[in-house]
Amino acid sequence: KAGVTQTPRYLIKTRGQQVTLSCSPISGHRSVSWYQQTPGQGLQFLFEYFSETQRNKGNFPGRFSGRQFSNSRSEMNVSTLELGDSALYLCASSLSRGSPDTQYFGPGTRLTVL
Amino acid sequence: AQSVTQPDIHITVSEGASLELRCNYSYGATPYLFWYVQSPGQGLQLLLKYFSGDTLVQGIKGFEAEFKRSQSSFNLRKPSVHWSDAAEYFCAVGARRGGADGLTFGKGTHLIIQP
Repeated sequence: KAGVTQTPRYLIKTRGQQVTLSCSPISGHRSVSWYQQTPGQGLQFLFEYFSETQRNKGNFPGRFSGRQFSNSRSEMNVSTLELGDSALYLCASSLSRGSPDTQYFGPGTRLTVL
Repeated sequence: AQSVTQPDIHITVSEGASLELRCNYSYGATPYLFWYVQSPGQGLQLLLKYFSGDTLVQGIKGFEAEFKRSQSSFNLRKPSVHWSDAAEYFCAVGARRGGADGLTFGKGTHLIIQP
């Protein structure tokens, strides 16, 4: 079974631009979560989507948004990019939300903001 | 709110020696606990998890971890490390479904293997 895939793997943007990252979960997984990883803050939870609805959200500004499609694929969008948004963005999928579950991570998208 | 502490930022171990990586958590109920490993430029790979039951859990690549409720710890161990174990290791605690925070990670421990 194929793992979690993320596209693109690398992105370079300039301040003020917006960016969209894509995540395809493991087949059959319905929950998708996004995390931001930086050297200073470590791994931080952004949000979780299940059944096309945002279920949980971390402590990030409204410039960070996402959505999930009916096939469980998810996108996240960052508008008005700031230098501090440079990070590795990781997507994780899990089977469901109904019980303790394991999140499987993709390889990440490395975003550099200049 | 839940939290995870990994006291050791860096650990250096000789190849073939034993390894123990420390993890302490703070959570109001029985936690769900995970260890992930990250190689440079890669995503996170699950090593093992604890949900309930036997407090000693076995994982992939010869790793094991022991949940100690009295010490709020979930330390990762391996009896003999290989050069390929050099990586960043993350301990994480998961909220019960219906919670708000996803996985909460420690800051990570960077493992260096000496030949």
